[in-house]
Amino acid sequence: DTGVSQDPRHKITKRGQNVTFRCDPISEHNRLYWYRQTLGQGPEFLTYFQNEAQLEKSRLLSDRFSAERPKGSFSTLEIQRTEQGDSAMYLCASSLVGGRGLNEQFFGPGTRLTVL
Amino acid sequence: LAKTTQPISMDSYEGQEVNITCSHNNIATNDYITWYQQFPSQGPRFIIQGYKTKVTNEVASLFIPADRKSSTLSLPRVSLSDTAVYYCLGAAGNKLTFGGGTRVLVKP
Repeated sequence: DTGVSQDPRHKITKRGQNVTFRCDPISEHNRLYWYRQTLGQGPEFLTYFQNEAQLEKSRLLSDRFSAERPKGSFSTLEIQRTEQGDSAMYLCASSLVGGRGLNEQFFGPGTRLTVL
Repeated sequence: LAKTTQPISMDSYEGQEVNITCSHNNIATNDYITWYQQFPSQGPRFIIQGYKTKVTNEVASLFIPADRKSSTLSLPRVSLSDTAVYYCLGAAGNKLTFGGGTRVLVKP
């Protein structure tokens, strides 16, 4: 257990439905990242926040995807009008700027999304 | 962004040392070379990072030559529980760009 939690762990939905995932980072961490991972591939970066500010978004993050971190603590990732291609593991990670490891991010267990 | 190239898979036996070499010919000056480990159905876990020469911690060693165009992760005396995917990447304290990783299978 890294201290980063994600909810739900699994989500099955029908194409066209909206889904929302939650991530609770390690409490003192000021950065929060979202990644997506499909089977057999490494994680792909989606977006990241420093405190409540969203600093970068990948081109992978289409306009159907939105992420928030309203109070600089937990974050939500919403996917609207889901498509079968959205099926993947969605990983959240957190880190502390100026912490022990420059590139040390602590990953949660992920939310596995299946779009039928 | 530093594109990395590493073997797709490696097999080893319990008790052996495993060395995984990663090529990163165009690594940026600010990037640190970082290795992550991932078990099935879990998020990646940070193992080690370095900029130049050799870094050692309680689980691995990382060797980086002076030209920084490659690096080698060394796992001493592996056990069955070290079976995982190992990712090499270059980053500078923000987003991580993962490649396909190396699947290491440790056999009894």
